[in-house]
Amino acid sequence: EIVLRQSPATLSLSPGERATLSCGASQSVSSNSLAWYQQKPGLAPRLLIYDASTRATDIPDRFSGSGSGTEFTLTITRLEPDDFAVYYCQHYGASPLTFGGGTKVEVK
Amino acid sequence: QVQLLQSGAEVKKPGASVKVSCKASGYAFVGYFLHWVRQAPGQRLEWLGRINPNNGRPDYAQKFQDRVQMTRDTSISTAYMQLSNLTFDDSALYFCAKMTSGWYGPNDHWGQGTLVTVSS
Repeated sequence: EIVLRQSPATLSLSPGERATLSCGASQSVSSNSLAWYQQKPGLAPRLLIYDASTRATDIPDRFSGSGSGTEFTLTITRLEPDDFAVYYCQHYGASPLTFGGGTKVEVK
Repeated sequence: QVQLLQSGAEVKKPGASVKVSCKASGYAFVGYFLHWVRQAPGQRLEWLGRINPNNGRPDYAQKFQDRVQMTRDTSISTAYMQLSNLTFDDSALYFCAKMTSGWYGPNDHWGQGTLVTVSS
């Protein structure tokens, strides 16, 4: 089972600032099968990025993903008020699928 | 548009079973794996397993292997997840999620979630 560790646990930023979120895997993620989701309280996750760097449908270009192997990054270039939420990475290249512990992006 | 509509909240006693349904619309139900994910309060997302609606074959996370059952009814485009021998730790929000095409992929559409509460 691939264990995903996200850092930091909490990121305190202001609207307009840049957010950089990290996801580290316990072993290499095959075919860069790594996704990022945004989740707001009480709601389902929303797919942002898949295959480590491909934006999902209708996701604005201020969201970008990068990385390979065991280290991945989600970058939000200019935070908008709607972006304050919890972000999870997910490995989906093989069973069992696993999720990271999440990074909460909160208003400073 | 793709929609996944889940059944309503459930309250169960320890040792009981719960069955959650997920009705799909807006896409070819048999063409895409359907996953089940849960989230306990304040916790990370946890994958329970998935089902191939085309042949009904499930793929369970080892942690739940002994007490989860995933089925589907293609005539009504609905998937089901039954979890038995419930404990307090099973109290969580349970989601169904459609997978993108292929054998493995991310989850591009999610149900609204079903709250399962285990209480004596």
